[in-house]
Amino acid sequence: KAGVTQTPRYLIKTRGQQVTLSCSPISGHRSVSWYQQTPGQGLQFLFEYFSETQRNKGNFPGRFSGRQFSNSRSEMNVSTLELGDSALYLCASSWDGEAFYNEQFFGPGTRLTVL
Amino acid sequence: AQSVSQHNHHVILSEAASLELGCNYSYGGTVNLFWYVQYPGQHLQLLLKYFSGDPLVKGIKGFEAEFIKSKFSFNLRKPSVQWSDTAEYFCAVTVNDYKLSFGAGTTVTVRA
Repeated sequence: KAGVTQTPRYLIKTRGQQVTLSCSPISGHRSVSWYQQTPGQGLQFLFEYFSETQRNKGNFPGRFSGRQFSNSRSEMNVSTLELGDSALYLCASSWDGEAFYNEQFFGPGTRLTVL
Repeated sequence: AQSVSQHNHHVILSEAASLELGCNYSYGGTVNLFWYVQYPGQHLQLLLKYFSGDPLVKGIKGFEAEFIKSKFSFNLRKPSVQWSDTAEYFCAVTVNDYKLSFGAGTTVTVRA
């Protein structure tokens, strides 16, 4: 079974631009979560989607948004990029949206650099 | 504020030494606890998890962790490390929701 895939793997943008990142979960997984990883703040939760609905949201500004499609694929968008948005963005999927202890399977991440 | 604390930022060990990484959380009520590992150049992957039952849980690659509710702790242990255990280790918690709250991570370097 293929793992979680994320595209693109690397991105370079300039301040003020916007960016869209894509995540394809493991086949059959219905929950998709997004995390931001930086050296200073570590791993921080952005949001989680299940059946095309956002169920949980972290403490990020409204410039960060996401969505999930009917095939469970998910995208996240960051508008008006700032230098501080440079980070590794990780997507994780889980097979069952009912249990809080289900394992989340992580993708390789998208490395975003904002210049 | 709710948080997950990992006591050590960087641990350096020799092969065959024992490893213990501390993790404390500040959430009340029912928690689900995880240890994830990130080997160099690889994805985050689950080592082990606890959600109920026996507080001593065993994971992959010889790792185990003990949940001590009274101490709000979930420490990770391995009796004898190998060079291949060099990685970054993250403790994480979910509390009645689907979002993982991670500790800052501990980098473990095992010297051959």
